[in-house]
Amino acid sequence: EVQLVESGGGLVQPGGSLRLSCAASGFTLSNYWMSWVRQAPGKRLEWVGNVKEDGSEKYYVDSMKGRFTITRDNAKNSLYLQMNSLRAEDTAVYYCARGGGRDVYNLGYWGQGTLVTVSS
Amino acid sequence: DVVMTQSPLSLPVTLGQPASISCRSSQSLVYSDGNTYLNWFQQRPGQSPRRLIYYVSNRDSGVPDRFSGSGSGTDFTLKISRVEAEDVGVYYCMQGTHWPFTFGQGTKLEIK
Repeated sequence: EVQLVESGGGLVQPGGSLRLSCAASGFTLSNYWMSWVRQAPGKRLEWVGNVKEDGSEKYYVDSMKGRFTITRDNAKNSLYLQMNSLRAEDTAVYYCARGGGRDVYNLGYWGQGTLVTVSS
Repeated sequence: DVVMTQSPLSLPVTLGQPASISCRSSQSLVYSDGNTYLNWFQQRPGQSPRRLIYYVSNRDSGVPDRFSGSGSGTDFTLKISRVEAEDVGVYYCMQGTHWPFTFGQGTKLEIK
């Protein structure tokens, strides 16, 4: 069974940093693009970025470029999202999802999400 | 960025009746490989999103056949043939053709 479990969310002050993790199981992580998607309270889903199977390509939404970094460790079956210079508008539930390339796997499985709150 | 516009934003439906959600993109979603990367997601209250449809009209495993997707180019539709109580939630379309991939605003389906 495919499982994605996010962790690392919490309360952080504006300008602070946070690192989210996503533990994958039930499939071979190295065979899939992976993505982070977020959802601010009461708002639509918003793509954060994605990373190719071997980590050689990464794409980010402009508003997060330079502040957010996606990495992966296929040997540890884990995906990460390093978030720096956090702003109030980054407050959201952050989901990791399997897929992210132009293929049949795109966002086919999601984790339960982890809440990030940016506030003083 | 490609703008995805859904309508209606609120959809009250009587149990057993059909429902239809429209999704329009600001650019054609046909990619250079000939595929159209248009997905539909369901988000039940308090849950993570779940993919229902990929490549416009392909149902994911376990998705009831009362759900169907159609469309081409810039106009797409999700249809539910007979709404059941478990279908309550918010439905999103998403384009995976042009980076950054983008979602519609969501359509909230409720039982009348």
